Amino acid sequence: AQTVTQSQPEMSVQEAETVTLSCTYDTSENNYYLFWYKQPPSRQMILVIRQEAYKQQNATENRFSVNFQKAAKSFSLKISDSQLGDTAMYFCAFMKHYGGSQGNLIFGKGTKLSVKP
Amino acid sequence: DTGVSQNPRHKITKRGQNVTFRCDPISEHNRLYWYRQTLGQGPEFLTYFQNEAQLEKSRLLSDRFSAERPKGSFSTLEIQRTEQGDSAMYLCASSKPGDIRGGYTFGSGTRLTVV
Repeated sequence: AQTVTQSQPEMSVQEAETVTLSCTYDTSENNYYLFWYKQPPSRQMILVIRQEAYKQQNATENRFSVNFQKAAKSFSLKISDSQLGDTAMYFCAFMKHYGGSQGNLIFGKGTKLSVKP
Repeated sequence: DTGVSQNPRHKITKRGQNVTFRCDPISEHNRLYWYRQTLGQGPEFLTYFQNEAQLEKSRLLSDRFSAERPKGSFSTLEIQRTEQGDSAMYLCASSKPGDIRGGYTFGSGTRLTVV
């Protein structure tokens, strides 16, 4: 069975600074996807960034980037130039890749990020 | 299409009562997922539909839970004889087949409180 571990229950960062959220996972699969989702207070969960396990290049989406270390089964999220609107719960998630089909998301417990002015 | 819609947003019920939630996915998405999220935890998978077929159910989905997706459109999740442990946020998500790069689109959830 796959597991996802987020070891930082809460983090805070000053506006405009950089913060890194940690995530490790355990799997025996070789083909899979990793995601970071953001869940603002009382709002729906939205996809921040995704990474295909077969790609060595780390994914980047504007101010968000990941450090994917497949051998170490590590998938951290870096947020640069933090903004107040980044305040949210951040969930790391794993999905097996069944050929062309989608599997189910397995989530970590989340990291609560507070961006301070 | 404005996204995945879930109703009601909040539901308070007495223990032992039955409740039903509804999810309307994005119209072109043929896959629909239900997740449960308790306080301080990440969402946990409950069940998944491809069109009208329920393809997988989690061990978390006890006999008191049933989900349907008639005609492959909206879906309902019913909990019979609710218990206090059922109190949680119930999330629905949808996706297109093969659109793994897009991930899921989540709804805003239905928060259930059993008193």
